[in-house]
Amino acid sequence: AQSVSQHNHHVILSEAASLELGCNYSYGGTVNLFWYVQYPGQHLQLLLKYFSGDPLVKGIKGFEAEFIKSKFSFNLRKPSVQWSDTAEYFCAVRLSGGGADGLTFGKGTHLIIQP
Amino acid sequence: DGGITQSPKYLFRKEGQNVTLSCEQNLNHDAMYWYRQDPGQGLRLIYYSQIVNDFQKGDIAEGYSVSREKKESFPLTVTSAQKNPTAFYLCASKGDPNTGELFFGEGSRLTVL
Repeated sequence: AQSVSQHNHHVILSEAASLELGCNYSYGGTVNLFWYVQYPGQHLQLLLKYFSGDPLVKGIKGFEAEFIKSKFSFNLRKPSVQWSDTAEYFCAVRLSGGGADGLTFGKGTHLIIQP
Repeated sequence: DGGITQSPKYLFRKEGQNVTLSCEQNLNHDAMYWYRQDPGQGLRLIYYSQIVNDFQKGDIAEGYSVSREKKESFPLTVTSAQKNPTAFYLCASKGDPNTGELFFGEGSRLTVL
């Protein structure tokens, strides 16, 4: 079964710092990749997704992620974080063409931005 | 507004009692999912349903049951057989079947005393 690994469980940054959150998955076939965000007290919402095509994907709120197939990675980046980016971030994978059983999620990264 | 509504938001129960969490969607999505979220564990799939009157076990189905009698509704029952039921429960539905993107409700926090 596929698995998703997020390297950092807790990250603390100052405002305006650059962000990179790591995500690796363990499936060798074709995948769809996602980053979701959960702001305090709010529901999970989609930040960005990779389906096919350009491996550099841009999402909402200035986030982007790069799919590197050879490294089985889909790291999330933002050049300059804001206090409002404080949230929990989840990477998720779905086997392409096999949508029956939902998404497999990583354990999440809790990001705290200090003013 | 289209979306997924979960109720109740907070629920307290005594050990040994069954609890049913509601999930309703008006997005006209066929597939619906239940996940459990625990600190440091991410989201784990409990049950899913691709279509009305059909559902499948996920990775951690033991101690849970579901039904899918209507397209818009997918209730989850946490039974007394679930050994560690205190958790945050998230319901989701699948929008585009090609990409697999999920839309989530706001969750239900169950605390068993």
